[in-house]
Amino acid sequence: EVQLVESGGGLVQPGGSLRLSCAASGFTFSSYAMSWVRQAPGKGLEWVSTISGSGGSTYYADSVKGRFTISRDNSKNTLYLQMNSLRAEDTAVYYCAKHSGYSYGENYYFDYWGQGTLVTVSS
Amino acid sequence: QSVLTQPPSASGTPGQRVTISCSGSSSNIGSNYVYWYQQLPGTAPKLLIYRNNQRPSGVPDRFSDSKSGTSASLAISGLRSEDEADYYCAAWDDSLSGWVFGGGTKLTVL
Repeated sequence: EVQLVESGGGLVQPGGSLRLSCAASGFTFSSYAMSWVRQAPGKGLEWVSTISGSGGSTYYADSVKGRFTISRDNSKNTLYLQMNSLRAEDTAVYYCAKHSGYSYGENYYFDYWGQGTLVTVSS
Repeated sequence: QSVLTQPPSASGTPGQRVTISCSGSSSNIGSNYVYWYQQLPGTAPKLLIYRNNQRPSGVPDRFSDSKSGTSASLAISGLRSEDEADYYCAAWDDSLSGWVFGGGTKLTVL
């Protein structure tokens, strides 16, 4: 059974940093691209970032480019999101999501999601 | 403002058939598959429909989708109380080279 468990959320001041983690199990982690998708309070889903199965390719939404860094440790079956220069508009539940294949693109849709971790950016 | 447009709410009575629309453009729905996700209260989104009306194992055939031009629809027949949830559409966007989502539709079973 595929399981994705996020952690690391919390309250942080504007301009601060936070690192999210996502522990994966139930599948061959290194064979699949992984993403972070967020949901602001009362809003819809927004794709944030994707990393290929090997970790060699990364992709970011314009809203986080230059501030967030996605990475993975395939030896630990763990996905990360380093978030710097946080803004109030980054407040959201952050979901870890598995893709249906190794890479990024139209053929690799989201097939499993974690429960999410809440990030609140406020002074 | 979400790239894909969904009605914020929908409702129906048990046994009824309800549809949820998702409107996009030629760069997303018009040229790529549409995916549907169900989010029960307090839980993670779950894949409901993928690639032209395919359902993951365990998803009942009461759920189906259709597409015409730059719009898509999710249909739920034989509505049940456990279908009460938020529903999201998603598609790849060729112009943005990224995934886009609808704002979600909250389905209430009366």
